[in-house]
Amino acid sequence: GAVVSQHPSRVICKSGTSVKIECRSLDFQATTMFWYRQFPKQSLMLMATSNEGSKATYEQGVEKDKFLINHASLTLSTLTVTSAHPEDSSFYICSATRRRSGNTIYFGEGSWLTVV
Amino acid sequence: KQEVTQIPAALSVPEGENLVLNCSFTDSAIYNLQWFRQDPGKGLTSLLLIQSSQREQTSGRLNASLDKSSGRSTLYIAASQPGDSATYLCAVPETSGSRLTFGEGTQLTVNP
Repeated sequence: GAVVSQHPSRVICKSGTSVKIECRSLDFQATTMFWYRQFPKQSLMLMATSNEGSKATYEQGVEKDKFLINHASLTLSTLTVTSAHPEDSSFYICSATRRRSGNTIYFGEGSWLTVV
Repeated sequence: KQEVTQIPAALSVPEGENLVLNCSFTDSAIYNLQWFRQDPGKGLTSLLLIQSSQREQTSGRLNASLDKSSGRSTLYIAASQPGDSATYLCAVPETSGSRLTFGEGTQLTVNP
């Protein structure tokens, strides 16, 4: 079964509103989680590194005020897309590293965001 | 900066054929290399993880090899089945558990 869970799997929101996506590690603690974005027929692009108890580290070109990341506990990170625009429509995926599995990285099921 | 390249970008084979997917990376100082499978519109499923000290890993019909010195990894799929149709991605972290750099993937289609 899944070891990293994302919710919601699909969400449609109106332009200008905010939407929150959750990423949970189900049976292990993850001090670090990662958020990726994927456009159709393209590979994953890292957006930010979510650090438990501290500020997220954003990749170059990613607006930190638009993509708010909160890693409130060792099993939960959230990505909030603020003031969403149609160009934010994409597939968002999180990952977490399970250290006792030889540092295997597990991904969530992904979240489809459509901004209308 | 690490760059990961996958060849071919797309591959179509008849059922039952053995096939090889290729992954190359520019910086050989990797901690491990991981192969993933992604079905359309879905998240990623981890297939195989090869530590930097290992040469290969096997799981069922899948075998992944790693040659750090040449910056290459291959994923061998034996006796391919239509259910193997998906996009296969290789990825390397910069250090243990850190951010992943992905290849662009190989889209595999296995025809019945």
